[in-house]
Amino acid sequence: DSGVTQTPKHLITATGQRVTLRCSPRSGDLSVYWYQQSLDQGLQFLIQYYNGEERAKGNILERFSAQQFPDLHSELNLSSLELGDSALYFCASSVASGSTGELFFGEGSRLTVL
Amino acid sequence: QQPVQSPQAVILREGEDAVINCSSSKALYSVHWYRQKHGEAPVFLMILLKGGEQKGHEKISASFNEKKQQSSLYLTASQLSYSGTYFCGTGIQGAQKLVFGQGTRLTINP
Repeated sequence: DSGVTQTPKHLITATGQRVTLRCSPRSGDLSVYWYQQSLDQGLQFLIQYYNGEERAKGNILERFSAQQFPDLHSELNLSSLELGDSALYFCASSVASGSTGELFFGEGSRLTVL
Repeated sequence: QQPVQSPQAVILREGEDAVINCSSSKALYSVHWYRQKHGEAPVFLMILLKGGEQKGHEKISASFNEKKQQSSLYLTASQLSYSGTYFCGTGIQGAQKLVFGQGTRLTINP
């Protein structure tokens, strides 16, 4: 158990819909990272927050948005869903703000768009 | 900016050694290594920082060549439990994000 909690674990929805994925980081970790992993693919970096502020952006679509709240939990919002958005979405947390700290991954949220 | 890993896949017999390489076109500040088993989350193996020492624990170690922007992961006398997909993640000085390579699938057979 990494200490990072992601909900929901599984989500099935239709094209055009909107979903919200939630992540609670490990106690004491201020950084939250979001990654997308399509079937048998690598980990695509989406976005990173540190103590409530956006610190880095990757290949995140305009239909996607995220935020980190004062209690440090984070939400990833995916809208106007397309079939290609089906993937495993991982949240990871770290005590560091940059790339110098170990990342602890949650178990992921598996999104299926039909 | 995504690092390139090689090989993409490797199949070994238990007890054999493996080397996985990770290279970047950018000057690196940090290199992370993670292992992901099928259906599970990636798990941290080690991190190497610019100016730091070669890391290792048990039979898994790694090196970081700052001049060549390369890192290598060494698995010695592989065990069945080493099977999985290995990802390197690279960080650039001044940038916050950690970008992962496409992964190397390692299969260990008895």
